[in-house]
Amino acid sequence: QLQLQESGSGLVKPSQTLSLTCAVSGGSISSGGYSWSWIRQPPGKGLEWIGYIYHSGSTYYNPSLKSRVTISVDRSKNQFSLKLSSVTAADTAVYYCARGPGGYGQGWFDPWGQGTLVTVSS
Amino acid sequence: DIQMTQSPSSLSASVGDRVTITCQASQDISNYLNWYQQKPGKAPKLLIYDASNLETGVPSRFSGSGSGTDFTFTISSLQPEDIATYYCQQYDNLPLSFGPGTKVDIK
Repeated sequence: QLQLQESGSGLVKPSQTLSLTCAVSGGSISSGGYSWSWIRQPPGKGLEWIGYIYHSGSTYYNPSLKSRVTISVDRSKNQFSLKLSSVTAADTAVYYCARGPGGYGQGWFDPWGQGTLVTVSS
Repeated sequence: DIQMTQSPSSLSASVGDRVTITCQASQDISNYLNWYQQKPGKAPKLLIYDASNLETGVPSRFSGSGSGTDFTFTISSLQPEDIATYYCQQYDNLPLSFGPGTKVDIK
């Protein structure tokens, strides 16, 4: 059973870089056909897709965050990572990693990690 | 970008009631529409994919329909464990986007 687990700093100072990692277990991140996404949810608000990376390393970032986002993959550790630079209080959110979308018309996210709260504050 | 709207934003219903949520896309997305359930403090869970396909293991009281710009999500008989926020999500175009959510609780 595929499982995802986020880890990283829960408190980041304004203007600094948020860094999170998603460890994948129960399956290989290099298995074909799937991308791996980051999604966030500010407290009490809705879901915002940040972007994805394929096992090949190709990426797509939401234009709303593109200038500040980097998603990378470490196949040897079976994990992928998110970096978000120049953070402000507006970046305070629960950050989720998820598998998807798939490359064969499977445009959904499943499964998801449990999420990790990142607070931006001095 | 494709904008997704949902209505209502919240609803209160009795156990056993039929509950219907609508999701509208700002342009034609064919059937590239998914539905998720999010319980408080938990990650979203995929319930319906491609507008009407029930994810494995999801109770049959959940269903979805629609195509183009207008979609419907239905709980045929509301159960206490269905208290959650429900989100639609389109994948016709990048960036992928979610609706604002519909919060369902028990009257």
